[in-house]
Amino acid sequence: KAGVTQTPRYLIKTRGQQVTLSCSPISGHRSVSWYQQTPGQGLQFLFEYFSETQRNKGNFPGRFSGRQFSNSRSEMNVSTLELGDSALYLCASSLGLAVNYNEQFFGPGTRLTVL
Amino acid sequence: AQTVTQSQPEMSVQEAETVTLSCTYDTSENNYYLFWYKQPPSRQMILVIRQEAYKQQNATENRFSVNFQKAAKSFSLKISDSQLGDTAMYFCAFTPSPNTGNQFYFGTGTSLTVIP
Repeated sequence: KAGVTQTPRYLIKTRGQQVTLSCSPISGHRSVSWYQQTPGQGLQFLFEYFSETQRNKGNFPGRFSGRQFSNSRSEMNVSTLELGDSALYLCASSLGLAVNYNEQFFGPGTRLTVL
Repeated sequence: AQTVTQSQPEMSVQEAETVTLSCTYDTSENNYYLFWYKQPPSRQMILVIRQEAYKQQNATENRFSVNFQKAAKSFSLKISDSQLGDTAMYFCAFTPSPNTGNQFYFGTGTSLTVIP
């Protein structure tokens, strides 16, 4: 079974631009979560989507948004990029069932550099 | 608020020796899950071990074991017989009951180097 894939793997943008990152979960997984990883802050939760609905949201400004499609693929968008948005963005997928613990599987990440 | 603290930014251990990574957390939840994830230089995050808070028995996975102290809100990872492939960043993570979905809280990580 294929793992979680993220595209693109590397991205360079300039301040003020916007960017869209994509995540394809493991087949059959309905939950997709996004994390921002920076050296000083570690991993910070952005949001989680389940069955095309945002189920949880972290403490990030409205410039960060996401969506999930009917095939469970997810995109996240960052508008009006700032230098501080430079980070590794990780996507994780799981079955998403609420009755018991579902293991999260992480993708390789998208390295975003804002100049 | 849910927080996870890893107070050791960097650690090193000789090959074949044992090392313990520390983690503390803060939550008002009674039912939750704790994890240790490994992120090798290739960047793919891998689950090492997990612990359900309602289970008193400490989890073990081969050379990896945890010391879970619920009252102290402590969750340390012990790696026995360290191998070169254990060199990685290790993250401690916490999530409340899955009834609220998948919102994980991570520590800032401990960079472990295994020395030949």
